[in-house]
Amino acid sequence: DVKVTQSSRYLVKRTGEKVFLECVQDMDHENMFWYRQDPGLGLRLIYFSYDVKMKEKGDIPEGYSVSREKKERFSLILESASTNQTSMYLCASRPWRDQPQHFGDGTRLSIL
Amino acid sequence: AQSVTQLDSHVSVSEGTPVLLRCNYSSSYSPSLFWYVQHPNKGLQLLLKYTSAATLVKGINGFEAEFKKSETSFHLTKPSAHMSDAAEYFCVVSEGIGNTPLVFGKGTRLSVIA
Repeated sequence: DVKVTQSSRYLVKRTGEKVFLECVQDMDHENMFWYRQDPGLGLRLIYFSYDVKMKEKGDIPEGYSVSREKKERFSLILESASTNQTSMYLCASRPWRDQPQHFGDGTRLSIL
Repeated sequence: AQSVTQLDSHVSVSEGTPVLLRCNYSSSYSPSLFWYVQHPNKGLQLLLKYTSAATLVKGINGFEAEFKKSETSFHLTKPSAHMSDAAEYFCVVSEGIGNTPLVFGKGTRLSVIA
């Protein structure tokens, strides 16, 4: 079975901090994704990567950046955390286009 | 451009009765379609997928969905609801062009009443 592991289930940070969310997949998947999920808004795509060192902006990239130095790891960075970034963050991977995505269990991030 | 509309934000059924969660899609190409389920405080789990083979797709936990091109629909059904089916369900479309990400519907919350 594919396993997508997010480093933290729950995280509390302060405004202005630089925050790192880590995601690792164990199936050599090409594509990786970061979403945030908020009540009433569904899943919104922040960034995705279709190969190592490649990244593409999603629908809401402002205030975020990403890093993919190795194929199995995709990191989401909040450059200067703000309270409106309090949310559930979900990482996903897929082998290639047109295939289903596999999700991690999510990180519930609170910015105080 | 592709899009997904889940017609109900919340559906409530009694245990043992049928479930119908409605989904319409828009796509310029022959799409692939998926249904995912999310239980509280968990990630999304794939229920089933349609990729241009049989139009009636069977998934896990007794769920199935029918692809109807003429109606641009991909509704999810189950003959008999169980309490453990209470969750959020997402309909998802992929055009399979380039590396375009999947497009998610806003979700339907299913409640099951004992």
